[in-house]
Amino acid sequence: KQEVTQIPAALSVPEGENLVLNCSFTDSAIYNLQWFRQDPGKGLTSLLLIQSSQREQTSGRLNASLDKSSGRSTLYIAASQPGDSATYLCAATSGSRLTFGEGTQLTVNP
Amino acid sequence: NAGVMQNPRHLVRRRGQEARLRCSPMKGHSHVYWYRQLPEEGLKFMVYLQKENIIDESGMPKERFSAEFPKEGPSILRIQQVVRGDSAAYFCASSPRAGDDEQYFGPGTRLTVT
Repeated sequence: KQEVTQIPAALSVPEGENLVLNCSFTDSAIYNLQWFRQDPGKGLTSLLLIQSSQREQTSGRLNASLDKSSGRSTLYIAASQPGDSATYLCAATSGSRLTFGEGTQLTVNP
Repeated sequence: NAGVMQNPRHLVRRRGQEARLRCSPMKGHSHVYWYRQLPEEGLKFMVYLQKENIIDESGMPKERFSAEFPKEGPSILRIQQVVRGDSAAYFCASSPRAGDDEQYFGPGTRLTVT
């Protein structure tokens, strides 16, 4: 059974800092790994998807890496902004389902 | 291409009533997934459907919950005789191909049971 863990559970940083969010998964037989953003009371916004054959994906100030052998993924956010404040979720795809972590609640202070 | 649509966005039901949540997948997508997010908890997989078929319902509660995806029309998640513990956000996702493809999420339906 796939289990996904995210560390830290919460993070508060001043504006402009570079930061890293961590995600680990127990079953390395994944098809892909997705990072999402969720604002309070809102739906999910897909940020990045890394296929199992890829090592990383980049979009703007975001960079996600994947190491299947160690069961880890990281989301790097450069030059953080207050608008980045949200909960960030990682999800591993195994078979027909996504298994989500509990999320990292990020607060970027102006 | 419109995204995944869910309605209603908010639904209030009294204990014992039925709740029907609807999901229209993106155009060209024939695979639908339902997830539930209980308060202060992560999202959990419930069920995976293709047109007219339930492929994987291993995440569905054994009683009161059912899902369908008919040949025509939206996918429906049905909760009979709702209880307070059913209060949650229910998200639908769709994909164009088999279960290992990227899933696109709808805005969710927030169910409140009073």
